[in-house]
Amino acid sequence: AQSVTQLDSQVPVFEEAPVELRCNYSSSVSVYLFWYVQYPNQGLQLLLKYLSGSTLVKGINGFEAEFNKSQTSFHLRKPSVHISDTAEYFCAVSDPHTGFQKLVFGTGTRLLVSP
Amino acid sequence: KAGVTQTPRYLIKTRGQQVTLSCSPISGHRSVSWYQQTPGQGLQFLFEYFSETQRNKGNFPGRFSGRQFSNSRSEMNVSTLELGDSALYLCASSPPPSGGPYEQYFGPGTRLTVT
Repeated sequence: AQSVTQLDSQVPVFEEAPVELRCNYSSSVSVYLFWYVQYPNQGLQLLLKYLSGSTLVKGINGFEAEFNKSQTSFHLRKPSVHISDTAEYFCAVSDPHTGFQKLVFGTGTRLLVSP
Repeated sequence: KAGVTQTPRYLIKTRGQQVTLSCSPISGHRSVSWYQQTPGQGLQFLFEYFSETQRNKGNFPGRFSGRQFSNSRSEMNVSTLELGDSALYLCASSPPPSGGPYEQYFGPGTRLTVT
């Protein structure tokens, strides 16, 4: 079964600094990858997705992620963070063999941006 | 376009009772998925419905059930509530066609507390 690992449970960073949130998934077969953000007391909002094509994916709010098949990674990056980026970030994988809509999520990374 | 709506937003139930949560997908979306989010287990897939049929199911006991109506609205039911069922229950809908890994749009969730 697919699994997703987000090694960093919490990442503190200063405003305007760059950040990278790490995500690794378990299988090298074709999968689809997503990053979602969750603000307090809210649902999940899609930041970006990788389905196929270019390995560098750009999303909303200045975020981007790079798909690396050989390392089974899909790390999320932002060159300059804002206070408003403080939230929990979830990496998720969709495996066509188990159902496209069955997302398997990582445990999440809490991004804490301070002034 | 209105987003995914979930009712109620908050719910307190007693152990042994049953509960029904409701989800209205984005207009035109036919696939509805449910997830449970807890601090201990994270985000876990419950089930997915498409055209009133359960298309996929996660690893939850039979106390968790759901259904979808002809207008794509969905309900999930938990019978014989246990303390461990306390969680945020998230509903997500996906646009047609449903034959691929289309992104899921999440509602704000229903916070269920079992006492």
